[in-house]
Amino acid sequence: RKEVEQDPGPFNVPEGATVAFNCTYSNSASQSFFWYRQDCRKEPKLLMSVYSSGNEDGRFTAQLNRASQYISLLIRDSKLSDSATYLCVVEEGTYKYIFGTGTRLKVLA
Amino acid sequence: SAVISQKPSRDICQRGTSLTIQCQVDSQVTMMFWYRQQPGQSLTLIATANQGSEATYESGFVIDKFPISRPNLTFSTLTVSNMSPEDSSIYLCSGNRGMNTEAFFGQGTRLTVV
Repeated sequence: RKEVEQDPGPFNVPEGATVAFNCTYSNSASQSFFWYRQDCRKEPKLLMSVYSSGNEDGRFTAQLNRASQYISLLIRDSKLSDSATYLCVVEEGTYKYIFGTGTRLKVLA
Repeated sequence: SAVISQKPSRDICQRGTSLTIQCQVDSQVTMMFWYRQQPGQSLTLIATANQGSEATYESGFVIDKFPISRPNLTFSTLTVSNMSPEDSSIYLCSGNRGMNTEAFFGQGTRLTVV
């Protein structure tokens, strides 16, 4: 079993739609959680950190469920510019960041 | 966050040769890492670059193939040795300032081995 797993997609959604991604992790000792965004042929960039209480940043909402060891990302009112690969990232308490397999999103006009 | 300058951005190399990739951070960082990203796949951690000591390698990666240096808190190199076409990939360096902090990346090196 991979340490961090995501549905690879692709998710093809119309503009304005709401889309949700899930991510599961295997190491219960994991300390920190993030969502990164990677555009084609670019390096990953931080989208948002994920806190135990859940957090929201504009159209983006992240949730963490430690008991079930999963993380979610919700994107509301999808824009064409949201098209990218979304990477779930888990930090295992040793400063190492483990990346999920990534979920591709394509927002259609 | 910080800015990491990574070079070269791309290279085409002959099999059997070696390539050294450099990353320079614009400010001190606690940790630096090297990742590989195969086409269409996610990032796989190669090793943690330790300042002033030998790197810590992940399973499947060895020092003879991927020697790493980190002479100070702002600079690291990764060498891909004795290259074969299977080494064709994107190599990314990353840094962070400790636990619960953002990991930021260099722009990546797109390596093609022919």
